[in-house]
Amino acid sequence: KQEVTQIPAALSVPEGENLVLNCSFTDSAIYNLQWFRQDPGKGLTSLLLIQSSQREQTSGRLNASLDKSSGRSTLYIAASQPGDSATYLCAVRTGANSKLTFGKGITLSVRP
Amino acid sequence: GAGVSQTPSNKVTEKGKYVELRCDPISGHTALYWYRQSLGQGPEFLIYFQGTGAADDSGLPNDRFFAVRPEGSVSTLKIQRTERGDSAVYLCASSEVGGAIGNEQFFGPGTRLTVL
Repeated sequence: KQEVTQIPAALSVPEGENLVLNCSFTDSAIYNLQWFRQDPGKGLTSLLLIQSSQREQTSGRLNASLDKSSGRSTLYIAASQPGDSATYLCAVRTGANSKLTFGKGITLSVRP
Repeated sequence: GAGVSQTPSNKVTEKGKYVELRCDPISGHTALYWYRQSLGQGPEFLIYFQGTGAADDSGLPNDRFFAVRPEGSVSTLKIQRTERGDSAVYLCASSEVGGAIGNEQFFGPGTRLTVL
């Protein structure tokens, strides 16, 4: 059974800092991995999708990397801003079944 | 539509009652998913539709939960004899295709269900 872990559960950084959010998964036979952002009381916003054959994806200040063999992904946020404060979740799709398995998320607070 | 929509945004009901939650996916998306998110947890898979059929319902917790997608677009999640433990945010997502290809999933804002 696929398990996704995100540590730490919460992170607080000063504005302007570059930061890395980690995600690990137990079954390396994934189809793809998605990073999401969730604001309090809201749904999930897709940030980046990395296919299993890819090593990284970039969107603006965000860069996500994937090391499938070691079961790890990182989300790099450059020059963090208070508006980046939210919960960041990673999810993996394992096997032909389309369902996503999520981590519990990392709640990020960027201090002005 | 521009995005996935869900109604109602909030639903408060009493223990034992029946509820229906609606999801309207992005136009043209053939795959539709339901997830459930409890406080402080990541979403957990409930059911996946490819077109009109439920391709995988392995996440439904018990037979009180049922979902339909009769015309391959809008889906309704139905919960009978609600229990307090059913209280959670129910999220719907859609993607262009599912199955072995399967791609990016886009989520709606969710329905917050509270069972008193």
